Amino acid sequence: DIVMTQGALPNPVPSGESASITCQSSKSLLYSDGKTYLNWYLQRPGQSPQLLIYWMSTRASGVSDRFSGSGSGTDFTLKISRVEAEDVGVYYCQQFLEFPNTFGAGTKLELK
Amino acid sequence: EVQLQQSGPEVGRPGSSVKISCKASGYTFTDYVMNWVKQSPGQGLEWIGWIDPEYGSTDYAEKFKKKATLTADTSSSTAYIQLSSLTSEDTATYFCARSVGYTLYYFDYWGQGVMVTVSS
Repeated sequence: DIVMTQGALPNPVPSGESASITCQSSKSLLYSDGKTYLNWYLQRPGQSPQLLIYWMSTRASGVSDRFSGSGSGTDFTLKISRVEAEDVGVYYCQQFLEFPNTFGAGTKLELK
Repeated sequence: EVQLQQSGPEVGRPGSSVKISCKASGYTFTDYVMNWVKQSPGQGLEWIGWIDPEYGSTDYAEKFKKKATLTADTSSSTAYIQLSSLTSEDTATYFCARSVGYTLYYFDYWGQGVMVTVSS
């Protein structure tokens, strides 16, 4: 199985500052169609996860443009600009290239 | 509006089974795959398996092959997961989540989750 490894954040993050969350995969997620099959989700406290970014850099419908995804085949970053209170929660990366799809362990964002 | 409405919390005795549901609305049920994801208390997300409601085909992560059974009722647009031979390790929240396909996509809508507690 592809292993997803997420980095930690230097919590708490001051409100209004930027935060970058890293994710590394044990195998390249770049497919022959040119897409990279890496997704990002946010799980706010007490809620179900919600899709933020899919295919490494495409924002899901209704997601703020303060969220952006980037990376290479194995190293990925989710950047959150101007962090707000509603951004608090746990962020998960997920690879959807190979069966079974797998998630990172999650990165917690706390607000200062 | 797409909604995945899951059933209420369950308590199961060790060794018994529980079955939880996920009722879909706001889209054509057979156009999407339904996935199930486990979240143990204070832990991350684990994919359990998927079902294609149109064909009834399923696939499971290796560790859940003997634990979970996925079914779907197209007449009521409802997906189900049955968890058997319950142990304390099965105490968790279980989410349903839809995707366009079983690979190369993403989970764009999630249910609210069902807490399953295994207790004697």
